[in-house]
Amino acid sequence: KAGVTQTPRYLIKTRGQQVTLSCSPISGHRSVSWYQQTPGQGLQFLFEYFSETQRNKGNFPGRFSGRQFSNSRSEMNVSTLELGDSALYLCASSASGGASYNEQFFGPGTRLTVL
Amino acid sequence: AQSVAQPEDQVNVAEGNPLTVKCTYSVSGNPYLFWYVQYPNRGLQFLLKYITGDNLVKGSYGFEAEFNKSQTSFHLKKPSALVSDSALYFCAVRDTGSGNTGKLIFGQGTTLQVKP
Repeated sequence: KAGVTQTPRYLIKTRGQQVTLSCSPISGHRSVSWYQQTPGQGLQFLFEYFSETQRNKGNFPGRFSGRQFSNSRSEMNVSTLELGDSALYLCASSASGGASYNEQFFGPGTRLTVL
Repeated sequence: AQSVAQPEDQVNVAEGNPLTVKCTYSVSGNPYLFWYVQYPNRGLQFLLKYITGDNLVKGSYGFEAEFNKSQTSFHLKKPSALVSDSALYFCAVRDTGSGNTGKLIFGQGTTLQVKP
């Protein structure tokens, strides 16, 4: 089975711009979660989608949004970029409805740099 | 609120020696605990998990972890370290306070350095 894929792998944007990141989960996985990884804050949960519905959301401003499509692919969008949004954005998928006991499988991440 | 602590920023060990990476947790119910490893410029790779049952959990690449409920710990161990084990290790707990969801709460990570 192919793993979780994320595109693009690297992105450079300037402040005030917006960006869209894409994630394709493992085939058959319907739960997709997004995390932000920075040296200062570590790994922080952004949101989770299951069957096209946002099931949980972390403590991030409204500039961060996401969605999931009927084929379980997910996108996240960050509007009005700030320097502090520079981070590695990780997507993870999970089997069996994303039940709490199932492990998540992570993609390689998208490295976003905001100048 | 659920939380995870990894008290050591870095662990240094000689190749062939046993290694331990420490993790303690705080949860309001039964803990679902996970260990992940991250190599440079890569995503996280799942190593092992504890859901219920035997306190000693075996995982990938020869790693194992011991769940200790009284000490609220879930330390990662390996009997004989390899140089290739050098990486960043994360302990995580599932946020059961949010119901049956995928939200993971991660520790700050521990860098493991294995010297030849």
